[in-house]
Amino acid sequence: AQTVTQSQPEMSVQEAETVTLSCTYDTSESDYYLFWYKQPPSRQMILVIRQEAYKQQNATENRFSVNFQKAAKSFSLKISDSQLGDAAMYFCAYRITKNTGNQFYFGTGTSLTVIP
Amino acid sequence: SAVISQKPSRDICQRGTSLTIQCQVDSQVTMMFWYRQQPGQSLTLIATANQGSEATYESGFVIDKFPISRPNLTFSTLTVSNMSPEDSSIYLCSVRGQNANTGELFFGEGSRLTVL
Repeated sequence: AQTVTQSQPEMSVQEAETVTLSCTYDTSESDYYLFWYKQPPSRQMILVIRQEAYKQQNATENRFSVNFQKAAKSFSLKISDSQLGDAAMYFCAYRITKNTGNQFYFGTGTSLTVIP
Repeated sequence: SAVISQKPSRDICQRGTSLTIQCQVDSQVTMMFWYRQQPGQSLTLIATANQGSEATYESGFVIDKFPISRPNLTFSTLTVSNMSPEDSSIYLCSVRGQNANTGELFFGEGSRLTVL
């Protein structure tokens, strides 16, 4: 079964500090893509960062970076220098490459609070 | 990226009624996807809307309950029929990005339905 687990329903971080959101997934496929999405209170889901499973190098987008451990099937998101605007629900997701349809598998989300 | 507009953004509906949600994309896309996000839960794919053919429904979702239209490559509608309080959710329209490899999803702002 294809599953995504986010074990932290809620997290909080002090403004300007660093926080790591965890994500693990289960798939028998070897080729897939991983994503972190952000859903602020306005509800629009926004892509934060993506990682190709065949790449060993961890993806980085400004203050956002991932720690991708393929053998452990772990894909955590690190947010550095946290800002108030980072407060949102964060969803981890993946899509297997051979799937020409759209089946994305989403985790249950982590609600991040940024404390001023 | 794609700009996706959904309406209504929110509505309060009476039990037994039906509501149609509209989704407009700023570019032509082959597939449009409808997701449901129940309170405090992750995203569940309802169906894939293909232009020129019937929508493809995921397990647990049926056309009679969630009829979908796809009249052209930039527009789709989802109807939630004969609503009950259990249908209270956020309904999200999404499309695949232009990157054919990673295929990340882009989302509309969602339609929050409350059924009384």
